[in-house]
Order: sequence, then C-alpha cells, then structure tokens
Amino acid sequence: EVQLVESGGGLVQPGRSLKLSCAASGFTFSNYGMHWIRQAPTKGLEWVASISPSGGSTYYRDSVKGRFTISRDNAKSTLYLQMDSLRSEDTATYYCATDTSYYDGTYYYDVMDAWGQGASVTVSS
Amino acid sequence: EIVLTQSPTTMAASPGEKVTITCRASSSVSYMHWYQQKPGASPKPWIYDTSKLASGVPNRFSGSGSGTSYSLTISSMETEDTATYYCQQWSSNSPTFGAGTKLELK
Repeated sequence: EVQLVESGGGLVQPGRSLKLSCAASGFTFSNYGMHWIRQAPTKGLEWVASISPSGGSTYYRDSVKGRFTISRDNAKSTLYLQMDSLRSEDTATYYCATDTSYYDGTYYYDVMDAWGQGASVTVSS
Repeated sequence: EIVLTQSPTTMAASPGEKVTITCRASSSVSYMHWYQQKPGASPKPWIYDTSKLASGVPNRFSGSGSGTSYSLTISSMETEDTATYYCQQWSSNSPTFGAGTKLELK
C-alpha cells in the first residue's frame, strides 16, 4: 500500500524558515516524480513545486521561486520542502503527492495519484 | 499560466438528481483531471485524462470535454457524492487547479 507521511509543520514567524519532509513507502520511490501542493484555510488547491525521479529537474510556482527548495533523498525514500523567508500567505496545509505518467497513445499525461495526509504550516507573529 | 474557472462554486442536489460541474480553461488544453476532496481529508484522483475513472469511482460519474471546456457529470446523485471537486490541468510543467465546486445534498 502506498503511504506518504508529511512531517515538520508548525507555527513560524514571518521571515523564518521551516523544512517539511514526506516519508514514502509501499512503492519504488526513485521511479516517481513528486509534488508539493498546498491548501490555505478554507481555500482551494495550489501547486507549489515538483521534482523529477532523479532529482535532477525541479519546478516551482512563481510566488515561491527563490524562497522554497524541493529536494529528495531516494536512499531514504523521502521528499523535502525547504521553505525560507516565509510569509503569512504561505500559511496552508502542505500535501506531498506522487506523479504517475501515463501514455494515451498519442500523448503523455501526469496524474497526482497518491497524496499524504498533509502538514499544517502557520506563518504568524 | 492557464487559469481554470469552475462553475458553479457551490450547488445542492437531491438524491437521484443529475449533476454537472463545468471547468473552463483560459487556453486550450489537451485533457483535464478531476479530484474529489471531502472535509478533513486529502484530495483523491477521481477522473483523469478527461474521461477515465480512477480506481473505485462509481460509474455514475463521467467526464467529457475538449479544448477549453470540460465537465464532470453525476448521472444520479447519491449522499456519498457530497464533496468538493477540483479540475486540474498541466501546461509547461506548471499544473493549475480550478477553485473547486462544493457539492451538497439537498
């Protein structure tokens, strides 16, 4: 059974840092791209960052570029999100999710297949 | 960035009623995914590649669309279908989600 367990959330002051972890089990972690997606209180879903299976390629939404860093340790089957210079608007539940690629016959597409339970991050003084 | 606009934002349906949720993209996309989220729970993939049902999804659900207009349909509303549904697309390694449609029981 695929399991993703986030940890590292909490209350942090604006401008400070926090590092989230996502421990994966039940699948070959090194074969899958991974994502971080967040959800502000009572709001919708917002993609934050992605990383390729090897870790060689990373992608970020504009509002976190230069402040957040996604990384992974395939030996430990763990995904990370280093969050620096945190702002109040970063307050959210952060989910990690797997990326599964499929081929339709004419094009490839990716699905965020499995999600963790989420880690709550509150940025407030 | 491609913006996805869902409608309605909130709706209520009676058991047995047909439900349609729409998702419009600001530019043409090749496919659309849909996720279901219940209160206090993580989102689950529900419909992917426009019309394929994820494992365990009842066949009263269906998806359709192309270009800039996509929809999720429930042929006959059931109590367990109360949830928020999000559409999602991929473009240039920058996935975006719609704002969600909250479906309630009337």
